[in-house]
Amino acid sequence: AQTVTQSQPEMSVQEAETVTLSCTYDTSENNYYLFWYKQPPSRQMILVIRQEAYKQQNATENRFSVNFQKAAKSFSLKISDSQLGDTAMYFCAFMKRNAGGTSYGKLTFGQGTILTVHP
Amino acid sequence: KAGVTQTPRYLIKTRGQQVTLSCSPISGHRSVSWYQQTPGQGLQFLFEYFSETQRNKGNFPGRFSGRQFSNSRSEMNVSTLELGDSALYLCASSLVFRNYGYTFGSGTRLTVV
Repeated sequence: AQTVTQSQPEMSVQEAETVTLSCTYDTSENNYYLFWYKQPPSRQMILVIRQEAYKQQNATENRFSVNFQKAAKSFSLKISDSQLGDTAMYFCAFMKRNAGGTSYGKLTFGQGTILTVHP
Repeated sequence: KAGVTQTPRYLIKTRGQQVTLSCSPISGHRSVSWYQQTPGQGLQFLFEYFSETQRNKGNFPGRFSGRQFSNSRSEMNVSTLELGDSALYLCASSLVFRNYGYTFGSGTRLTVV
């Protein structure tokens, strides 16, 4: 079974600054996907960024980037130039890669980190 | 393109009753998953459907069930509701043959009184 751990229950950052959210996971799988999701007060989960474990290059999406350390089983999210709209709960999630690369399966989530961006 | 639609958004039920929640995935998405979110337990996987078949199931009692229709729409049912079933129920859909991640709906907030 997989486990995902987010050790920071809450974090805060000033607008325009950079913040890093931590995530570690435990798995015996070699092929998997990792995700960061954002859940603002509107409660809709929004995909922020995804990483395929077999790709060594860290994923980036505009102001969001990850530091993926496969050997250490670490997957941190860096938010640059933080904006007020980034205020949300952030979840790290793991999904095993199926044979053939098909995309159905269980997401295992961490407990979440509440990020508050202050003006 | 329309997102994942969950209905209703809010629901209040009495202990012992049953409830059915609905989820319409993004057009073209054939995999639908359900998650329960509570402050104490976080996000927990309920089940997943693809091609009208349950592919994965989480650790929930048999009171929780679901199904998927030929148009990929899905419903989940909870029978004999308990107070502890109060939660946000989230539905997510995805393409099957490209893993771009799951797209979630806004959820159904179920309160059991």
